[in-house]
Amino acid sequence: QKEVEQNSGPLSVPEGAIASLNCTYSDRGSQSFFWYRQYSGKSPELIMSIYSNGDKEDGRFTAQLNKASQYVSLLIRDSQPSDSATYLCAVPNQGGKLIFGQGTELSVKP
Amino acid sequence: DADVTQTPRNRITKTGKRIMLECSQTKGHDRMYWYRQDPGLGLRLIYYSFDVKDINKGEISDGYSVSRQAQAKFSLSLESAIPNQTALYFCATSDTGSNQPQHFGDGTRLSIL
Repeated sequence: QKEVEQNSGPLSVPEGAIASLNCTYSDRGSQSFFWYRQYSGKSPELIMSIYSNGDKEDGRFTAQLNKASQYVSLLIRDSQPSDSATYLCAVPNQGGKLIFGQGTELSVKP
Repeated sequence: DADVTQTPRNRITKTGKRIMLECSQTKGHDRMYWYRQDPGLGLRLIYYSFDVKDINKGEISDGYSVSRQAQAKFSLSLESAIPNQTALYFCATSDTGSNQPQHFGDGTRLSIL
């Protein structure tokens, strides 16, 4: 089992819809979880951090964490074409390194 | 100015050449990392350093070496470049602690002919 797993996509949603991106992780002791956005050919950009069970909202983005199910998700409300990118889930491991998922490619169609 | 600066941004070179990619940061972070990314693939860790005297191999260190010249500087070298090292290279930094996010530079696009 991979340490961090994401659906590879591509995930296609119409403009204005809610995009839902999912991530599962294997280490039950994980304490922090990060979502990065990466446009094609560009560097990953940190967009959300979440540390506690429940929801964390930041503008159109909501991160949801369920430690019992080892599941973290990212919801993007009112999706825009500019949200089209690859979204990476990342979880620190015991050795202090960040383990990245393979990423989910999101395409928002006008 | 960018907090994490990578130079050069683009480089084209020939097989067998020695290449150095440089990374400097103004974030005051102790931890620095080098990744490579190939088209359609995820990030792969090459080397990482938790402080100036601590350097560790990542999952794909063969063919690469690093130097941590100061807290703010971390260089990646390809001693004898080969075409399959053509990739996008990223430097990242993070604060001390096991639950910190990483912050990335803009990347270096390296092509080896």
